[in-house]
Amino acid sequence: GQQLNQSPQSMFIQEGEDVSMNCTSSSIFNTWLWYKQDPGEGPVLLIALYKAGELTSNGRLTAQFGITRKDSFLNISASIPSDVGIYFCAATGANSKLTFGKGITLSVRP
Amino acid sequence: NAGVTQTPKFQVLKTGQSMTLQCAQDMNHNSMYWYRQDPGMGLRLIYYSASEGTTDKGEVPNGYNVSRLNKREFSLRLESAAPSQTSVYFCASSVHGRETQYFGPGTRLLVL
Repeated sequence: GQQLNQSPQSMFIQEGEDVSMNCTSSSIFNTWLWYKQDPGEGPVLLIALYKAGELTSNGRLTAQFGITRKDSFLNISASIPSDVGIYFCAATGANSKLTFGKGITLSVRP
Repeated sequence: NAGVTQTPKFQVLKTGQSMTLQCAQDMNHNSMYWYRQDPGMGLRLIYYSASEGTTDKGEVPNGYNVSRLNKREFSLRLESAAPSQTSVYFCASSVHGRETQYFGPGTRLLVL
């Protein structure tokens, strides 16, 4: 089946640092989404990407839809304490099924 | 707009008890979904409803039933709860298909 790979499971950074997260697959996808989940809350959509090569920003967040359609990355610049949480990638393929990665837990040290 | 709402927020059940988790959305979305989230497993789709009047099984449907009551509401029922169903349950909705889903705050369920 289609799988999205996110690693490592956890990341620890210093406040003010930039961080990059990748999401990879052996399958081709048509849409890539990035969600953030705060502790005790539901996932919130951060960025949606609909076209191969597309680069989209949302404040300090930047995400790109890989040109091969098999990967995507999310960059967070100048991290702040409220960036802590779990970051999920998700993608849809030809069958329109939304597949989720297992998420990366981000910790930000003040 | 409240978006996607879920009730209850927390629930403790004994093995064998039944309960229904409620979900409602006010975004006029056609499609609704139920997921469970377990440590290290990510989000797994239990059931979904592509449109009012239709429901389909997802990845982990065993032990659950769903009802799409109307366009706004989609409920998840556990007929005989088991400890393996201890999890956080999320409802989500989307305009159509399965792209760009919007999630509720979750229901935390503990089955003893």
